Amino acid sequence: QVQLQESGPGLVKPSETLSLTCTVSGYSIRSDSYWDWIRQPPGKGLEWIGNIYHTGSTNYNPSLKSRVTISVDTSKNQFSLKLTSLTAADTAVYYCARDEPAVPPVDWGQGTLVTVSS
Amino acid sequence: SSELTQDPAVSVALGQTVRITCQGDSLRNYYTTWYQQKPGQAPVLVIYGKNTRPSGIPDRFSGSSSGNTASLTITAAQAEDEADYYCNSRDSGGNHWVFGGGTKLTVL
Repeated sequence: QVQLQESGPGLVKPSETLSLTCTVSGYSIRSDSYWDWIRQPPGKGLEWIGNIYHTGSTNYNPSLKSRVTISVDTSKNQFSLKLTSLTAADTAVYYCARDEPAVPPVDWGQGTLVTVSS
Repeated sequence: SSELTQDPAVSVALGQTVRITCQGDSLRNYYTTWYQQKPGQAPVLVIYGKNTRPSGIPDRFSGSSSGNTASLTITAAQAEDEADYYCNSRDSGGNHWVFGGGTKLTVL
């Protein structure tokens, strides 16, 4: 059974860059799946950030595209998120997740809270 | 702003049937997926594709679609169904996922 686990800092300063990693276990990241990042500000709804295929092909939310980079490390069975120029509006629970072909996120990590504050 | 529109809140009496809706132009062309999220937990997929339930999801959950509106129906709602529900589909360009704003379901 696939398991996803987010890791990274819980507190980041404004204007800095957030780096998160998702470690996948029980499933090969080289399988026919897309790997997603999704976030949820406290008390608000879900926002899709983007995803990546194991080949490195990416898709990004147009509203975040200028600040987002998603990468994959197949040797470690991990994928990562970088989000630049942080503001308080980026404070959220960040989830990593797995798509199946033509199906949006099926499996989700538990999420990690990232707070942007000085 | 979301390209998929949901009512912010809906309530249902215990054991009754409730429909949660999602509207958006892209729903004319793409399937809608539905997620259930309880406080402090990650979302759980309850309906995907034409009307498919993952293993472990009770058959009281069903999905349907007509035109630009998709619906999640819960037949004989239970107390444990109280949660936030989010719809998801492709955006109008077909390249990205987009979520609705979510509907808070209260079971009375």
